[in-house]
Amino acid sequence: DVKVTQSSRYLVKRTGEKVFLECVQDMDHENMFWYRQDPGLGLRLIYFSYDVKMKEKGDIPEGYSVSREKKERFSLILESASTNQTSMYLCASSLFGTSGSYEQYFGPGTRLTVT
Amino acid sequence: SQQGEEDPQALSIQEGENATMNCSYKTSINNLQWYRQNSGRGLVHLILIRSNEREKHSGRLRVTLDTSKKSSSLLITASRAADTASYFCATVSRDDKIIFGKGTRLHILP
Repeated sequence: DVKVTQSSRYLVKRTGEKVFLECVQDMDHENMFWYRQDPGLGLRLIYFSYDVKMKEKGDIPEGYSVSREKKERFSLILESASTNQTSMYLCASSLFGTSGSYEQYFGPGTRLTVT
Repeated sequence: SQQGEEDPQALSIQEGENATMNCSYKTSINNLQWYRQNSGRGLVHLILIRSNEREKHSGRLRVTLDTSKKSSSLLITASRAADTASYFCATVSRDDKIIFGKGTRLHILP
């Protein structure tokens, strides 16, 4: 079974802090994704990566950056946390997209609160 | 940029009844997927249907796809309390972009 783990289930940070959210997958997937999920807005893609050291902006990259130094690990960084970044953050991975195999495997999520 | 739109937003049914959720989308797709999310957890992939398929089954799940109407439906038969969750459709475009809908909250009443 594919396993995607996230470093924290719950996190509370102060405004202005630098925040690191870590995600690790154990199935040698090429693609990794970071989403945020807010009530009434569904899942919104922040960034994704299709290879080591590669990254692509999603729909809402502002205020975030990412790092992928190793294939199994994809980090989301909030350079200076703000209260509007309070949300549930979901990491996912998938095999490299060939239009036929894009099933995503999700981690359990990190609920981040910025005060 | 939302593609799939689920309908209804929320659904409550008695245990044992069938639950039907719909998803409509706007542009051409390569495949459409359904996911389940239990409260406070990550999403779990349920089923994938390709654009050249019309119907697919997996256990108590039945998914249909009508590309002419740009719509899909997810049917859960003989519902159970454990089916209480949010259900999301996700469309995958021909350039491999995946977009999730906002979900349907399903509540199974005992």
